Amino acid sequence: GAVVSQHPSWVICKSGTSVKIECRSLDFQATTMFWYRQFPKQSLMLMATSNEGSKATYEQGVEKDKFLINHASLTLSTLTVTSAHPEDSSFYICSANLGQGPYSNQPQHFGDGTRLSIL
Amino acid sequence: LAKTTQPISMDSYEGQEVNITCSHNNIATNDYITWYQQFPSQGPRFIIQGYKTKVTNEVASLFIPADRKSSTLSLPRVSLSDTAVYYCLVRPSGGYQKVTFGTGTKLQVIP
Repeated sequence: GAVVSQHPSWVICKSGTSVKIECRSLDFQATTMFWYRQFPKQSLMLMATSNEGSKATYEQGVEKDKFLINHASLTLSTLTVTSAHPEDSSFYICSANLGQGPYSNQPQHFGDGTRLSIL
Repeated sequence: LAKTTQPISMDSYEGQEVNITCSHNNIATNDYITWYQQFPSQGPRFIIQGYKTKVTNEVASLFIPADRKSSTLSLPRVSLSDTAVYYCLVRPSGGYQKVTFGTGTKLQVIP
């Protein structure tokens, strides 16, 4: 079945560092991927929609210059947290699905998430 | 995007059937109802999806009444490993369509 892979699964870095998270669709092409953030004991919050070959669409309140999204191929979207600070520490999750033509009713498949800890 | 409402938490003993109901009063004609399970520090895992009536797979059943304003996820004979957060989502047809997560239901299975 459809699989979405995230890398790394866990990263710890110093304040001010930029961190890149990769999201790959392993056995299908995804023109659209989504990025979420989840704080402890809270639900997932949609951050942005990643569109292959075009600019990402950000949700209200999400700083596009802080969270850079690149979707350069049909199987890879990256989220870069620029100049990360402790308040950016969170669980970041991506999702994708086939979503095209006869597969438009397929559900979203989620990666296993990336735990980001900024010291 | 249709808003969903679920109980915040539920407890159940091992071996019992668990039913989690989700309200989605403003569901649109093209919307599908999807349920996910999430364990701590993992991404949500797809459980089941339906449009109307009843859907059953190897792990769960989904009951959707005719008006589609609610849905019930049924987990038969739960075990301790079913302790997780369960999310009900309503989403339009089309993979490019974004979805919004509600609060989810924290299911605690008790020995």
